[in-house]
Amino acid sequence: GAGVSQSPSNKVTEKGKDVELRCDPISGHTALYWYRQSLGQGLEFLIYFQGNSAPDKSGLPSDRFSAERTGGSVSTLTIQRTQQEDSAVYLCASSLTGGGSGNTIYFGEGSWLTVV
Amino acid sequence: GQQLNQSPQSMFIQEGEDVSMNCTSSSIFNTWLWYKQDPGEGPVLLIALYKAGELTSNGRLTAQFGITRKDSFLNISASIPSDVGIYFCAGQLVGGGSQGNLIFGKGTKLSVKP
Repeated sequence: GAGVSQSPSNKVTEKGKDVELRCDPISGHTALYWYRQSLGQGLEFLIYFQGNSAPDKSGLPSDRFSAERTGGSVSTLTIQRTQQEDSAVYLCASSLTGGGSGNTIYFGEGSWLTVV
Repeated sequence: GQQLNQSPQSMFIQEGEDVSMNCTSSSIFNTWLWYKQDPGEGPVLLIALYKAGELTSNGRLTAQFGITRKDSFLNISASIPSDVGIYFCAGQLVGGGSQGNLIFGKGTKLSVKP
């Protein structure tokens, strides 16, 4: 597609349930980022994928959070046993390459998660 | 870890006024990016800067990559109501580092009085 595509755009889930958020990056982009943004706040880094390298998971807030990227393209962010504090916008971004090589990063529209 | 200091955190301005915001760091960056986020939307790229000293314009927006490679500013001239939103700076580090070498400022929330 022309841009970064995320789904679902909105998700309401009950506390304790698992959720999966999907990101489809721009075609050909090898770098993929996940961020979390609470209402009115800045961007909190979660995880970074670059090609076939091991992902940088340093931003994942707990072991309930995991992400994978299959085939170097689509990525799924999974949150297990959701808690109310997980409510936020989850933003995905991609770039042609990563690692400080001077490429522009493009964001998706975000997945708005509400845990009730 | 590396940090970007973005200021001001928020500002109210009269329509037609010019706006200025900046980001500074103790780290050296090889790219600066400026984004705008409207309510309910993802961040949208406004301007990308790739060389120290570079001055780039996009309509009423002007951004500069500082000579020291540790700072950048964004100016908005003759602000209008649709300029309302949150503006984020982001810097890509020179080699090494974590988080994909991409660091974001905490944002400047712009509110315009019509």
